Amino acid sequence: KNQVEQSPQSLIILEGKNCTLQCNYTVSPFSNLRWYKQDTGRGPVSLTIMTFSENTKSNGRYTATLDADTKQSSLHITASQLSDSASYICVVIVTGGGNKLTFGTGTQLKVEL
Amino acid sequence: DGGITQSPKYLFRKEGQNVTLSCEQNLNHDAMYWYRQDPGQGLRLIYYSQIVNDFQKGDIAEGYSVSREKKESFPLTVTSAQKNPTAFYLCASSRPEFGGAYNEQFFGPGTRLTVL
Repeated sequence: KNQVEQSPQSLIILEGKNCTLQCNYTVSPFSNLRWYKQDTGRGPVSLTIMTFSENTKSNGRYTATLDADTKQSSLHITASQLSDSASYICVVIVTGGGNKLTFGTGTQLKVEL
Repeated sequence: DGGITQSPKYLFRKEGQNVTLSCEQNLNHDAMYWYRQDPGQGLRLIYYSQIVNDFQKGDIAEGYSVSREKKESFPLTVTSAQKNPTAFYLCASSRPEFGGAYNEQFFGPGTRLTVL
């Protein structure tokens, strides 16, 4: 069982609409959690980084939340654009783990006209 | 892509051949990483290096080899011992881990390797 579970696996929304992606993790001890955006055939690009003491972090139209007690995070995208079509990957970092990352399998988002 | 380059973008290999994937960074980062990405799976760590002339195996090192002779370069060789090498390979780099909590890894654009 993957230690970082993401849902939904894929999502299609209309341009201008909002959406929320979910991430549940069992990795411990927890250091910080990151959301990456990966365009098809490209490397992931960091959107947000949160430590266990942070509840929310925004980056433009992207807002990430974290509940360290329930080990859940979400990524909310506001007023979606066609360029938001990509895979969104949740990544958890273990304390003292040599900066090793545990990756979720990603949510594939498609924004349509 | 944050100052990290990978080449080639696409690579085709015949069974039984070794191939080397290039990764170069100009971010002055000490740590570099190689990941493999397969459809429906999260990225998996192959090898990582925290300093020149030193590297450690990741979770799936079998069939792969690396070298770290220069700070800027971390080439990955996919050997014939790797039974299922067709995948998307990503290189990343980060600053040294001083406590580790906030160091971000920057990824290159990737190399797609296909075995014919």
